[in-house]
Amino acid sequence: SQQGEEDPQALSIQEGENATMNCSYKTSINNLQWYRQNSGRGLVHLILIRSNEREKHSGRLRVTLDTSKKSSSLLITASRAADTASYFCATDGGNEKLTFGTGTRLTIIP
Amino acid sequence: EAEVAQSPRYKITEKSQAVAFWCDPISGHATLYWYRQILGQGPELLVQFQDESVVDDSQLPKDRFSAERLKGVDSTLKIQPAELGDSAMYLCASSSPGTGGQVQYFGPGTRLLVL
Repeated sequence: SQQGEEDPQALSIQEGENATMNCSYKTSINNLQWYRQNSGRGLVHLILIRSNEREKHSGRLRVTLDTSKKSSSLLITASRAADTASYFCATDGGNEKLTFGTGTRLTIIP
Repeated sequence: EAEVAQSPRYKITEKSQAVAFWCDPISGHATLYWYRQILGQGPELLVQFQDESVVDDSQLPKDRFSAERLKGVDSTLKIQPAELGDSAMYLCASSSPGTGGQVQYFGPGTRLLVL
């Protein structure tokens, strides 16, 4: 079963614009992770935020976590064509097992 | 850079046939995962190994699916007999303990089509 839901399901923006996607989950977590998946390929880890953290940055990525609302957001700034992919949030309940959301399909228009 | 290897990349089979997928995790990674990903959805865990032991196979359809990791290194996932609804991407991932949480490293996946 899917733990979380991403919103929106699909997003198309112009190159250079910022992209924001959201994730909601249902149960308590140890950490939350974001992964990227290019079409027909495996997933690539982007960033991990612990339950006691509220915001984290990595390059053009910014992740926020609100445990009271059981939600997270991923912001990609200054988008590039190569950012076109599906993005998944995944929650870790502390048992070394990830539960993935339904994903957001991001398309960057050159 | 070390990667998770999977084979085959693509498999077409007829229903009721047997299929097998192979995964070689990153060297030294004790934890290995098999996921199934239906088109348009997120990956769902089928089975989790710690070394050669199964930690979680609660979502594995055991009447037709089996998984093994005999020497605690590479792993095989088998489906027998395959059904039309098994058409999906099968992903393998591995991880090792990390401070604050375990990052999983994924292979390229095996795309299965059952006709």
